[in-house]
Amino acid sequence: KNQVEQSPQSLIILEGKNCTLQCNYTVSPFSNLRWYKQDTGRGPVSLTIMTFSENTKSNGRYTATLDADTKQSSLHITASQLSDSASYICVVRRAAGNKLTFGGGTRVLVKP
Amino acid sequence: DSGVTQTPKHLITATGQRVTLRCSPRSGDLSVYWYQQSLDQGLQFLIQYYNGEERAKGNILERFSAQQFPDLHSELNLSSLELGDSALYFCASSVEGGGYEQYFGPGTRLTVT
Repeated sequence: KNQVEQSPQSLIILEGKNCTLQCNYTVSPFSNLRWYKQDTGRGPVSLTIMTFSENTKSNGRYTATLDADTKQSSLHITASQLSDSASYICVVRRAAGNKLTFGGGTRVLVKP
Repeated sequence: DSGVTQTPKHLITATGQRVTLRCSPRSGDLSVYWYQQSLDQGLQFLIQYYNGEERAKGNILERFSAQQFPDLHSELNLSSLELGDSALYFCASSVEGGGYEQYFGPGTRLTVT
């Protein structure tokens, strides 16, 4: 079954600290993996997209990694800011049929 | 601002009623997607349209239907509403239906009382 699992479900970190979010997937065949940031009550905004051949991609203080062999991705947030408080959603696209599978998200709360 | 607009922003209605949510995609985008997000839940894909034609179906109830018009705007119709239909409904658009980035609208918050 094509699934996307994210961990942890929620995370509290202090402002200025780093954190890493995990995404494991079983979607096959794989097309690409995207990380979205969703502020409460608002639509998701894309942070990064990674294809099979890409291992690392950065967007400011956000760095995503992909290991297509183990079907794992991570999103690393460096020097967190209060505005990083949001849900982070991992979405994997299946090559056959172009279907998207969404992870349940990780809710991050950054405290001063 | 993603360029995707959704109306209305908020909607409060009673059980058994019918509502229509509207979405205008970004200029040039041919594909529209609808998602439901219940409180503290993940995004659930409902349905996708591409250039007026239904392209993919997700977990959309039979009480729900959608269409995409020649001007590419889309409407999601929800009927015989139940309390459990209370949720945020997001529309997203992309250039095509394949691996292109989806841009999400601000959502419509539906409350069924």
